[in-house]
Amino acid sequence: DAMVIQNPRYQVTQFGKPVTLSCSQTLNHNVMYWYQQKSSQAPKLLFHYYDKDFNNEADTPDNFQSRRPNTSFCFLDIRSPGLGDAAMYLCATSSSGGTVVKNIQYFGAGTRLSVL
Amino acid sequence: DQQVKQNSPSLSVQEGRISILNCDYTNSMFDYFLWYKKYPAEGPTFLISISSIKDKNEDGRFTVFLNKSAKHLSLHIVPSQPGDSAVYFCAAKRSTSYGKLTFGQGTILTVHP
Repeated sequence: DAMVIQNPRYQVTQFGKPVTLSCSQTLNHNVMYWYQQKSSQAPKLLFHYYDKDFNNEADTPDNFQSRRPNTSFCFLDIRSPGLGDAAMYLCATSSSGGTVVKNIQYFGAGTRLSVL
Repeated sequence: DQQVKQNSPSLSVQEGRISILNCDYTNSMFDYFLWYKKYPAEGPTFLISISSIKDKNEDGRFTVFLNKSAKHLSLHIVPSQPGDSAVYFCAAKRSTSYGKLTFGQGTILTVHP
């Protein structure tokens, strides 16, 4: 089945120690997104890639970076995690073409990040 | 400033009854609305959507109603089943944009047998 896969499912890091979360997709979608979801809050878009073009949200801290080496993979790098960065990180993909219906976002299961 | 709000953190319903989940939005530029369902340990999955040119969209047991003047939408599940127990997220976007979903906080639905 075509899907969005996030690894690892759980990640524990130390305060200030860089961490990388990964996302891969077999849907061949050209748009990939990263969301942060804190407990009992709405998922919040951090940034997205439209093809190779990076689009950052205005309020995303510089501490968060992303890489997309090819269509299938996208990485979220947290350069110096703080305690406030502990959250669920969700990767999603969509197609940008066609009707709005085709722009439905497909999500991975998420990576839960803990910062000690 | 939360542009999409789900004011009920949780809802408990008896099997066979109707579940009604509510969502309010403040941004008048939103013209396409979606509901996602999320089971534990899984990512959100698309459930149903509605364009602002409609006031109702139905898909099997799921119906979404949109009241543009009130900036309110609701998801009706009839009849509710125990397998519907999940977190339901409301999301909104501009139809001219391929991405940028704005989500609500989610409502935990529990359907009791």
